[in-house]
Amino acid sequence: DAGVTQSPTHLIKTRGQQVTLRCSPKSGHDTVSWYQQALGQGPQFIFQYYEEEERQRGNFPDRFSGHQFPNYSSELNVNALLLGDSALYLCASSPGQSFLLSTDTQYFGPGTRLTVL
Amino acid sequence: AQSVTQPDIHITVSEGASLELRCNYSYGATPYLFWYVQSPGQGLQLLLKYFSGDTLVQGIKGFEAEFKRSQSSFNLRKPSVHWSDAAEYFCAVGAKTSYDKVIFGPGTSLSVIP
Repeated sequence: DAGVTQSPTHLIKTRGQQVTLRCSPKSGHDTVSWYQQALGQGPQFIFQYYEEEERQRGNFPDRFSGHQFPNYSSELNVNALLLGDSALYLCASSPGQSFLLSTDTQYFGPGTRLTVL
Repeated sequence: AQSVTQPDIHITVSEGASLELRCNYSYGATPYLFWYVQSPGQGLQLLLKYFSGDTLVQGIKGFEAEFKRSQSSFNLRKPSVHWSDAAEYFCAVGAKTSYDKVIFGPGTSLSVIP
């Protein structure tokens, strides 16, 4: 089992550009969540996808958007990049509608380090 | 609103010494509690979780945590620290709302002196 995989590992962009980050969930998992982790801080929830729909969204602007594909993989898109968007972006996958009501849990990928210059 | 505080930004311990990392949470109902570890350049690895039942939870790598409702705490402990335990540790609280919302604390950075 490959676990949660993310690509690319690192990315450098300039202000105003757009970026797409990709995530493949753990085998058997159909729910994908995205988190932003700024340097020296804990991860912050961006949004979650389940059954190809955005189920919930954290306190992030509309510049952040996403998509989930039929194979459960997901993309995170960020438009009009700002310097403050520089962070580690983590993808997490979990099974079913609620991992909090199951014996399974949420598994995190290694992240994509985005640097905005 | 849910929140998690980790009072210690950075802790240094000697190898072989015991460790306790503090975590306090704010949540109106019974929380789901987690401890994650993050090594440099790595994603988050789950150490242990508390959903219900026994308030002393055993995790991987010799870690344990105790849920104390009266103190709103979920402190992480390890009797003997190894140099490989040096990492960032995050406490998190989950709430079953319309989705599985997980709030992370700011983290505690652990350094281990040989």
